[in-house]
Amino acid sequence: DTGVSQNPRHKITKRGQNVTFRCDPISEHNRLYWYRQTLGQGPEFLTYFQNEAQLEKSRLLSDRFSAERPKGSFSTLEIQRTEQGDSAMYLCASSTGHINEKLFFGSGTQLSVL
Amino acid sequence: TQLLEQSPQFLSIQEGENLTVYCNSSSVFSSLQWYRQEPGEGPVLLVTVVTGGEVKKLKRLTFQFGDARKDSSLHITAAQPGDTGLYLCAGGSQGNLIFGKGTKLSVKP
Repeated sequence: DTGVSQNPRHKITKRGQNVTFRCDPISEHNRLYWYRQTLGQGPEFLTYFQNEAQLEKSRLLSDRFSAERPKGSFSTLEIQRTEQGDSAMYLCASSTGHINEKLFFGSGTQLSVL
Repeated sequence: TQLLEQSPQFLSIQEGENLTVYCNSSSVFSSLQWYRQEPGEGPVLLVTVVTGGEVKKLKRLTFQFGDARKDSSLHITAAQPGDTGLYLCAGGSQGNLIFGKGTKLSVKP
């Protein structure tokens, strides 16, 4: 299967700890996106990369959040000093970057902060 | 700020019934997308509508984009239990999509 892969699928952590999630996009896709989804809500845009360049960041992305895509392939999203409000599903998506592009989402990482 | 409002929020119907869900905004969108999401999974794209007034069909699903490109609807004919899921509309371009809160559909056998 060559879809978008996210690891881990689930993460339980204590408040104040750091967590890191990984996303492996579809190999030929040069765009990679991070979204966050809480219960009863639609996904909310966090940030996106064109190859290794981070081109846009949402105001939702506080300074405790950092995302990287060092070689333009996989990406990591790190949350420092987690808070209970960070509990959510973190979704990664990739695309070719064409206009009206189709986004392919991974299955997400479900984060629970206790 | 562009917002997408979806209605109804929840819908529970019997197998074989027809239904329509709506996605509305006060803003004009260059395109709208419809996704279906199952619990514990990421959204899966169903269709993209681009032209005002456009109608697209995907088997028993019919999608319509409003003439003014501010709203869209999804009609399902003869719903089946396999149609159960969260239906999300999203608008925008270049990946910075704005999503509605979705319509949670439950089709009972």
